[in-house]
Amino acid sequence: NAGVTQTPKFQVLKTGQSMTLQCAQDMNHEYMSWYRQDPGMGLRLIHYSVGAGITDQGEVPNGYNVSRSTTEDFPLRLLSAAPSQTSVYFCASSPGTHSYEQYFGPGTRLTVT
Amino acid sequence: AQSVAQPEDQVNVAEGNPLTVKCTYSVSGNPYLFWYVQYPNRGLQFLLKYITGDNLVKGSYGFEAEFNKSQTSFHLKKPSALVSDSALYFCAVRDMIRQLTFGSGTQLTVLP
Repeated sequence: NAGVTQTPKFQVLKTGQSMTLQCAQDMNHEYMSWYRQDPGMGLRLIHYSVGAGITDQGEVPNGYNVSRSTTEDFPLRLLSAAPSQTSVYFCASSPGTHSYEQYFGPGTRLTVT
Repeated sequence: AQSVAQPEDQVNVAEGNPLTVKCTYSVSGNPYLFWYVQYPNRGLQFLLKYITGDNLVKGSYGFEAEFNKSQTSFHLKKPSALVSDSALYFCAVRDMIRQLTFGSGTQLTVLP
């Protein structure tokens, strides 16, 4: 199993550009989520999905969109990049919610200039 | 709202000594508690969790954590630290309603 994979590893965007961060998992996990990691702030939840076709907002959803058309894929779209979105983005998956641990991807380091 | 506090940004310990990384939490109802570790330029890796039952939870790489309901704490411990334990450690909590909330992280440095 590859686990959770993310592409790209690094990305530089100009303010106002849009892009999609890709996330895929091959463990048949129902639950997937996106976090951003900023220094001194831990990880903050952007969006999550409890199954194909179901998504919901997390703590910091503004400026991001998600969709979940398949169990395997959970892309994160930045609609119009802003410098405040400079961060490291992690995708995670788990077999369920609440009591289950999450499996994290290697991350995407995004810089918006 | 639920929250997690990791009061120490940095913990230094000598190799071979015991280590403790502190975590306190606030949730409504029964907590689900987790510890994750992050090595440089890597994603987070699961260490251990408390769901119910025994207050002392054992996890990966010789780590354990003690759940204390009265003090709302879930401190991470290891009897004998290794240099390879140096990493960023995150405590996380959730209840039955909300999603996972992470603490701000504690950088552990084990000195040879």
